[in-house]
Amino acid sequence: EDQVTQSPEALRLQEGESSSLNCSYTVSGLRGLFWYRQDPGKGPEFLFTLYSAGEEKEKERLKATLTKKESFLHITAPKPEDSATYLCAVGSSASKIIFGSGTRLSIRP
Amino acid sequence: NAGVTQTPKFQVLKTGQSMTLQCAQDMNHEYMSWYRQDPGMGLRLIHYSVGAGITDQGEVPNGYNVSRSTTEDFPLRLLSAAPSQTSVYFCASSYSSRVGNTIYFGEGSWLTVV
Repeated sequence: EDQVTQSPEALRLQEGESSSLNCSYTVSGLRGLFWYRQDPGKGPEFLFTLYSAGEEKEKERLKATLTKKESFLHITAPKPEDSATYLCAVGSSASKIIFGSGTRLSIRP
Repeated sequence: NAGVTQTPKFQVLKTGQSMTLQCAQDMNHEYMSWYRQDPGMGLRLIHYSVGAGITDQGEVPNGYNVSRSTTEDFPLRLLSAAPSQTSVYFCASSYSSRVGNTIYFGEGSWLTVV
């Protein structure tokens, strides 16, 4: 069964304290792994798409990496404005997009 | 840039009432979909459409109906609202139905059924 699991559920960091969020997946034929940012009261905002193991993408303080079993979202020297829920989703060969339940990230000044 | 526009933003319904959530996109996207988001459960697909006149069911279609008469619009109808349908609803679109294309979301519609 296709499945996406994100960990941790919640993460509190001090400003400048780097860390990583994990997205583990089981899917029949990966057609893309997506990272989204969601602010309270808003819709998910697209960050990255990764298609194959070994691929990496960067945007400001964020870097997403992909292996055959999981993806990491690395946050380097985060700022309070990086506080949000980060969602991971995978596309499968069955033409489905499956979302994880997200990681709530809080950055303290 | 309007992107994906949903209305209403907030709605309170009584059990048994019906209503329609509106969704429009101005990006000429082929693929449109509706998700619901509940605490701890992530986003779950309700219905989707790969083009005008074509719709299909997602993971949790029961109690909802959709139609796609134009490329731009994809309304979601609640036929007889139940408290279990209290949720946040997101409309989304992407350039094509091919899995792997980036999905863009609307701002959400908060629905409470009492």
